[in-house]
Amino acid sequence: NAGVMQNPRHLVRRRGQEARLRCSPMKGHSHVYWYRQLPEEGLKFMVYLQKENIIDESGMPKERFSAEFPKEGPSILRIQQVVRGDSAAYFCASSPPSTTAHTEAFFGQGTRLTVV
Amino acid sequence: SQKIEQNSEALNIQEGKTATLTCNYTNYSPAYLQWYRQDPGRGPVFLLLIRENEKEKRKERLKVTFDTTLKQSLFHITASQPADSATYLCALAGSSNTGKLIFGQGTTLQVKP
Repeated sequence: NAGVMQNPRHLVRRRGQEARLRCSPMKGHSHVYWYRQLPEEGLKFMVYLQKENIIDESGMPKERFSAEFPKEGPSILRIQQVVRGDSAAYFCASSPPSTTAHTEAFFGQGTRLTVV
Repeated sequence: SQKIEQNSEALNIQEGKTATLTCNYTNYSPAYLQWYRQDPGRGPVFLLLIRENEKEKRKERLKVTFDTTLKQSLFHITASQPADSATYLCALAGSSNTGKLIFGQGTTLQVKP
């Protein structure tokens, strides 16, 4: 049973370009979470999605950031017109349909975005 | 606002000793608290979960305590080994009961042989 798969592992973008980060959850998992980790900081929640629905996007910046989890295919975190401050590690986590507050999260290895 | 604090300074201990890491929180009443391990360049890996009505939880060489009065959790690694060297993250379950986690900034542990 493959774990949470994120790609690419490393992504370099010039300022103003778009970044697309992909996350395939573990088999059977229908909940996806995106977190951002800035250097020397902890993980910050960005968005929580279920298939075709955004459940909680309270951690998403108001502009340039969007996320989706379509019926088929991976979840996508999209950052438009990237700026240097977007450079960070972006982690995806998934959990099973019976998720509650006491469910452990399974994390991917992250995508390290560098904006030059 | 909700705040979680972990020791920001790295913890250096000798192999075989017990490592104790601290997690304090304010303006929050979590039902559950989780601990994760993160190695450089890798994603966090779940270690232990403790509920608000549990005082202590053990798993092999790991022990977690949860004091809701002090708003504090302690994470212990007994008989530490160099392979235990990593960053350890404390996480509180969101009040919305959705699985959303609020993380501390982590404490880096270095176990010297």
